[in-house]
Amino acid sequence: EVQLLESGGTLVQPGGSLRLSCSASGFTFSTYAMSWVRQAPGKGLEWVSAIGSSGGDPSYADSVKGRFTISRDNSESMLFLEMNSLRAEDTAVYFCAKENANTNPGNLNYWGQGTLVAVSS
Amino acid sequence: QSVLTQPPSVSGAPGQRVTMSCTGSASNLGAGYNIHWYQQLPRTAPKLLIYGDTNRLSGVPDRFSASRSGATASLAITGLQTEDEADYYCQSYDSVLRGVVFGGGTRVTVL
Repeated sequence: EVQLLESGGTLVQPGGSLRLSCSASGFTFSTYAMSWVRQAPGKGLEWVSAIGSSGGDPSYADSVKGRFTISRDNSESMLFLEMNSLRAEDTAVYFCAKENANTNPGNLNYWGQGTLVAVSS
Repeated sequence: QSVLTQPPSVSGAPGQRVTMSCTGSASNLGAGYNIHWYQQLPRTAPKLLIYGDTNRLSGVPDRFSASRSGATASLAITGLQTEDEADYYCQSYDSVLRGVVFGGGTRVTVL
């Protein structure tokens, strides 16, 4: 059974930093691209970042480019999101999602339950 | 403003048919990129419903169907049921933004 478990979300001050983690199990992690998607309170889904199966081809939404860094550790089946210079508008539930590449673009066929990041003083 | 435009809400009585649209532009749906549809039940994570324009994920009831014509796609629910009350999002890729894009979501209410 595919499982994705996010962690690391917490309350942080504006300008602060945070590292989110996503632990994956139930599939061969190293063969799938992964993504982060966020959802601000009461709002819709916003794609944040994606990374290729081997760790290459990172891509970012304009809203986080230069502040967030996506990475992965295939030996540990872990996905990460390093978040710097956090702003109030980064407040959201952050989901990690597994990408199925049988379409163009790939579809996100499994999602974690999310971790809440709150940016406030 | 989302790159993919969805109506904020649709509603219908149990058993009725409802449809919702997802309208893009030349740099996303109009460029031929696939569209996918997700269902988000209240207080839960999104789930993939339809992928590759029209393909139902295994286990998704056949009352859910999708179609697409050029830069516009649609999701239909026939025989609406109370458990279909949820937010529905379309997703594709935009070549100008060089990234994944979601629609703003459509809330389905069962009257």
